[in-house]
Amino acid sequence: EVQLVESGGSLVKPGESLRLSCAASGFTFSNAWMIWVRQAPGGGLEWVGRIKSKTDGETTDYAAPVKGRFTISRDDSKNTLYLQMDSLKTEDTAVYYCTHYISGSVHYWGQGTLVTVSS
Amino acid sequence: QSALTQPPSASGSPGQSVTISCTGTSSDVGGYNYVSWYQQHPGKAPKLMISDVNKRPSGVPDRFSGSKSGNTASLTVSGLQAEDEADYYCSSFAGSSIFVFGTGTKVTVL
Repeated sequence: EVQLVESGGSLVKPGESLRLSCAASGFTFSNAWMIWVRQAPGGGLEWVGRIKSKTDGETTDYAAPVKGRFTISRDDSKNTLYLQMDSLKTEDTAVYYCTHYISGSVHYWGQGTLVTVSS
Repeated sequence: QSALTQPPSASGSPGQSVTISCTGTSSDVGGYNYVSWYQQHPGKAPKLMISDVNKRPSGVPDRFSGSKSGNTASLTVSGLQAEDEADYYCSSFAGSSIFVFGTGTKVTVL
């Protein structure tokens, strides 16, 4: 059974940093392309960014609102995905989902972790 | 990259059908057969219902079907049931490794 378990969400002040983790199991993580998706309170889903597998170059891409502030990385030895968030803004407040992306679709979702950015 | 456009709401009585549209551009929906649909119940993570325009993952009832014409994709839920009441989101690959979601549609079972 595929499991994605996010952690690290908390209340932080604008301008601060936070790192989210996602522990993956039930599939070959090292071969997987992974995506972070976020959802603001009462809002819709928003693609944050993607990391390819090491075999495919471990390339990352980001949505415009987070480019230059957020960094996605992975540790295949620990089956763990990370999202480093710097220079956080109030508009980054959202539930952040770790997801497994397969050929154009997000097939598996974690339960999400809440990040609140407020002074 | 702008969000794909969906109607804010849709509704139907039990047993009826409801169709949700998802309108993009030739750079996303119209350009690729990578349109997906997700169902989200309140307080829960989304669930994949349709991939690659019209493919149902294992376990998804055949009451759910997808299609695409030009820059607009559609999700049809036939034989509406109470448990189908949820938010539905479309998504599409948008080239250059970019991925975009729709604005979301709240489906109400009357």
